[in-house]
Amino acid sequence: GESVGLHLPTLSVQEGDNSIINCAYSNSASDYFIWYKQESGKGPQFIIDIRSNMDKRQGQRVTVLLNKTVKHLSLQIAATQPGDSAVYFCAENMDNQGGKLIFGQGTELSVKP
Amino acid sequence: EAQVTQNPRYLITVTGKKLTVTCSQNMNHEYMSWYRQDPGLGLRQIYYSMNVEVTDKGDVPEGYKVSRKEKRNFPLILESPSPNQTSLYFCASSLRGLGTEAFFGQGTRLTVV
Repeated sequence: GESVGLHLPTLSVQEGDNSIINCAYSNSASDYFIWYKQESGKGPQFIIDIRSNMDKRQGQRVTVLLNKTVKHLSLQIAATQPGDSAVYFCAENMDNQGGKLIFGQGTELSVKP
Repeated sequence: EAQVTQNPRYLITVTGKKLTVTCSQNMNHEYMSWYRQDPGLGLRQIYYSMNVEVTDKGDVPEGYKVSRKEKRNFPLILESPSPNQTSLYFCASSLRGLGTEAFFGQGTRLTVV
């Protein structure tokens, strides 16, 4: 069935280190994968997305990797800062399902100064 | 400023008393959606709308109604709220589809007693 899940519920890193947040998905028909960041008391904020025909996409300090062979998605944050502390969600979307998004449960990233 | 505005931010109500949570976006987006967020369950889609007068069920539509009479507004209606609808609700909108660059509101924390 459809499911999107995260390997670890919490991740603690030292300021300045790189962070890697992982996500597993089960629906091989998904066309889009998206990472969102949710800070305490706020709504989710779009970070970066990737289409299923891509393996890697880079943004500002963030990189998303997609491994379709093992149905794995990861978000890499370079030089993690205290402002990166938040819950990160992966989500999947299929073009033929219009606006339907399936979210993972989230990983809480904590950055230690 | 581009934004999605939900009202109210906090609401405590009693079982069976009809309520409406409003959502408005000022970006002329076609796609809008409602989610509920619960601990351990992540974000789950309730309803979404691909355009005016076009709505469809998400994953957890039972007990909810929506309407899309105009592009900017997408209210969520609970005809007879029950305690299991106590949750944090988010409205979201996007231009090209809910898989990309979705903007979320600040959230509405609803408690049904």
